[in-house]
Amino acid sequence: DAGVIQSPRHEVTEMGQEVTLRCKPISGHDYLFWYRQTMMRGLELLIYFNNNVPIDDSGMPEDRFSAKMPNASFSTLKIQPSEPRDSAVYFCASSRLGQGTNAEAFFGQGTRLTVV
Amino acid sequence: AQSVAQPEDQVNVAEGNPLTVKCTYSVSGNPYLFWYVQYPNRGLQFLLKYITGDNLVKGSYGFEAEFNKSQTSFHLKKPSALVSDSALYFCAVREEGNTPLVFGKGTRLSVIA
Repeated sequence: DAGVIQSPRHEVTEMGQEVTLRCKPISGHDYLFWYRQTMMRGLELLIYFNNNVPIDDSGMPEDRFSAKMPNASFSTLKIQPSEPRDSAVYFCASSRLGQGTNAEAFFGQGTRLTVV
Repeated sequence: AQSVAQPEDQVNVAEGNPLTVKCTYSVSGNPYLFWYVQYPNRGLQFLLKYITGDNLVKGSYGFEAEFNKSQTSFHLKKPSALVSDSALYFCAVREEGNTPLVFGKGTRLSVIA
């Protein structure tokens, strides 16, 4: 398996534009997580899905953020409209938690978002 | 709610010396503990995890971690550091149940030749 695949790797956009980040989890994994990494706040969980269903989105900072998982092999995180303070590295991770709660999560390479 | 503390932002060690990166945790039930490493411009890579019953856990690249229940700690260790070990290290915890990992703020390890 190629691992968790995220696209794009880098995104530079102007304030006010819509940004869509994409993630393909590892095949067979039943949980998908979106994290955001900044220098100030470290790694923050934004939202996670179990079997394509959103379970907890309490980490989503504002209504400008939304996430979907239309099928087991694809998820998107959308920011509309984007703001400079959204600049961060966004990670997608997947896990097969059905195997037990000591199962590790596998991370993608991340998308570095810069909003100017 | 579970939490993780990594008390050191930065750890410096000479190549060949032993290294320790500290982690303490707080959970209401049994802890599930993990260490990850992040190299520049890369995602997080899994290093090792605590499995109930084994207080000393061995992982990738010669790293190991010692679980101490009384001190609620899970420190990462390596007997002999390499320059290539220089990276950002994250400790993470999950409570029982299918909950997401909660990460510490990370510790930057610099190994000096």
